[in-house]
This record gives sequence, structure tokens and C-alpha cells, in this order.
Amino acid sequence: DSGVTQTPKHLITATGQRVTLRCSPRSGDLSVYWYQQSLDQGLQFLIQYYNGEERAKGNILERFSAQQFPDLHSELNLSSLELGDSALYFCASSVAMSGRAGTDTQYFGPGTRLTVL
Amino acid sequence: GNSVTQMEGPVTLSEEAFLTINCTYTATGYPSLFWYVQYPGEGLQLLLKATKADDKGSNKGFEATYRKETTSFHLEKGSVQVSDSAVYFCALSPNTGTASKLTFGTGTRLQVTL
Repeated sequence: DSGVTQTPKHLITATGQRVTLRCSPRSGDLSVYWYQQSLDQGLQFLIQYYNGEERAKGNILERFSAQQFPDLHSELNLSSLELGDSALYFCASSVAMSGRAGTDTQYFGPGTRLTVL
Repeated sequence: GNSVTQMEGPVTLSEEAFLTINCTYTATGYPSLFWYVQYPGEGLQLLLKATKADDKGSNKGFEATYRKETTSFHLEKGSVQVSDSAVYFCALSPNTGTASKLTFGTGTRLQVTL
């Protein structure tokens, strides 16, 4: 158990809908990261938040947005869903307090499997 | 941009065989390097990491050495077990401030048989 929790575990929805994925980081971790894992794209970084502020952005679609709340949990919002958005979405967290956050270990949650029908 | 290249799988080995999974990277500066493992139906777990050149990461019998001259971070284990069957991902992260992201390779599936 990494200490990172994600809900829900599975989500099945229809095209055009909107969903929210939730992540609670490990106790004490200030950074939260979101990744998408799909068969055709592999594991792709989406976005990073550090202590409530966006710090790094990857190949995140404009239909997707995220935020980190004062209690440090994070939500990833996916809207106008398409079939191609079906994937496993992982949240990870790290301490990221050092000046070299790249050296920190990212701890991954179990993921949310999104199926768009 | 940054990228990671891993050997194609699947890799099928008999128990107690020697394992090597090749990983090379392209990056600006001096990134940190990681190996993560994903067991069926689970999230990713850190296996080992190295944060500077010539560092060796090791864990559970697995080892990898950060080779700056060949931009490589090959994963090795002297004697694999059936329980090592999983997908292994090589990844890098730039060493900058509080902004960080992992760039992953495509993953290598390992199957160990009796």
C-alpha cells in the first residue's frame, strides 16, 4: 500500500459526459501528479500540483482540468468525454520540498479505470 | 524533449535465469532515473532509483547503474523468480526545483516460468 488513495476504482460513462476523479496524497506529501495509461499512448504525464499551485503541465487536453485543494487532495475533471479517453488514470504524490524535486520518489495510487461507451 | 527507450517485450525466462532489461534515455542536463514495476491489476511501485551519474540503485535483488557516458540505466537481476513476473518501466525526471514529471518508457513485460 503506497498511502495514495484514489476514488472511484472503476468508472463507466457515456460519450459527452463529465467525470471527476479524486486523489488523496500520502500524509506529508505536497505534490500531486496525474498520469494517463492507455494501450496506444502508454504512460503519459498530465499535470503536477505543488501545495495548491500548478507546477508542471504535460500533454493534458483542454477538456481536462485539475486542482489541488487546501487539504492537498486533488481532483481531475474530464469533460466532453470521447471513446479515446478510456484509460487508467493514476495519481502520484511526492514530498517535493527539496530544491531538486526530480530526485524525489513518486508514490502511485491504485488508479481509476475509466471506460467511455 | 526527454525520452526513454526500453527493449521490446515480452521477455520470457525460466526461474533462476539472469535478467537484463535495457533502457536508454535522452535528456537535457542530468536527470534522475527510475525503475518502476507494475504487477497485474495494480499501480506502479518504485523498484529502484539513481539520482546522479555512476550511482547504483538496488532493491530486492534488482540493480541498475546510471551510466552517463552511454545514457543508459539497464535493469539486472541475477536469479529471477516466478513472483517477478510483471511489467517493468524505466523512467526519468529532470532535476529542477519543485516542478517535476516522470517520462516513461513503453514498459517491458517479464514472464518467469518454472
